[in-house]
Amino acid sequence: DAKTTQPTSMDCAEGRAANLPCNHSTISGNEYVYWYRQIHSQGPQYIIHGLKNNETNEMASLIITEDRKSSTLILPHATLRDTAVYYCIVRVVGTASKLTFGTGTRLQVTL
Amino acid sequence: DTAVSQTPKYLVTQMGNDKSIKCEQNLGHDTMYWYKQDSKKFLKIMFSYNNKELIINETVPNRFSPKSPDKAHLNLHINSLELGDSAVYFCASSPSPTVLNTEAFFGQGTRLTVV
Repeated sequence: DAKTTQPTSMDCAEGRAANLPCNHSTISGNEYVYWYRQIHSQGPQYIIHGLKNNETNEMASLIITEDRKSSTLILPHATLRDTAVYYCIVRVVGTASKLTFGTGTRLQVTL
Repeated sequence: DTAVSQTPKYLVTQMGNDKSIKCEQNLGHDTMYWYKQDSKKFLKIMFSYNNKELIINETVPNRFSPKSPDKAHLNLHINSLELGDSAVYFCASSPSPTVLNTEAFFGQGTRLTVV
C-alpha cells in the first residue's frame, strides 16, 4: 500500500472549516483513499473514502487532486467533538487487504 | 446495539500468564481483524479472518493465537504474557476483505496491562 504523509498536528477554531491535507504521491490507480479518525480512548471511526472523484457525506468532504497524489479532508463546521487523530490511508483494491495506519494528524478544535 | 463489542475492556495481569480477549460483531460481516495500538499510538494490524479462515497474519509472535469459532466471533489468546504486550487491542470487522468500497467498524478496544 502507498505511503501517506500528513502534518503532525493542526488547530482549528470551533465553527470554522478544518482542512486536513494528505500527500500520497506514490498512489497507484487501484488504490482508494480512506479517512478514519480516532477520538481519545475510542476505536477508529470511518469518515469517508474515494477513488478519484470528490466525495461528500454527512460527516465530511474529500477532495482528491486530479493527479491523485494528494487529498484534503474537509470538516465544514468543526466542533469540539471533532478533536481527534485523523488518519489518511490508501488501500489496494481487489486483494485481501488491510488498513495500514500512519501517524495521522492530531486535530485540536478550540473555542 | 453495539456493532463490534470486545470483552474485557480492561485487563491487568502478571507476566507469564495466559489471557484471552473476545470479540463479537453483529453486522453480518465476513471479515474480522485484530489491531494493536502501542504506547506510541501506532495502530498495526495483527490478524485478519474471512469466514473463519486466516487471511492476514502479520509478523506476530507465536504466543498470539487468534481463533474464529464462527464468522461473528474472533478471539485473541495470548500465552506467556510479556511486558511488551501491554497495549490497546482493537477488534474490527468489514463486509469483505477484497471489495474495498466498504468501511471497517472498530470495537472500543481492550487495554491490556502486563505487570
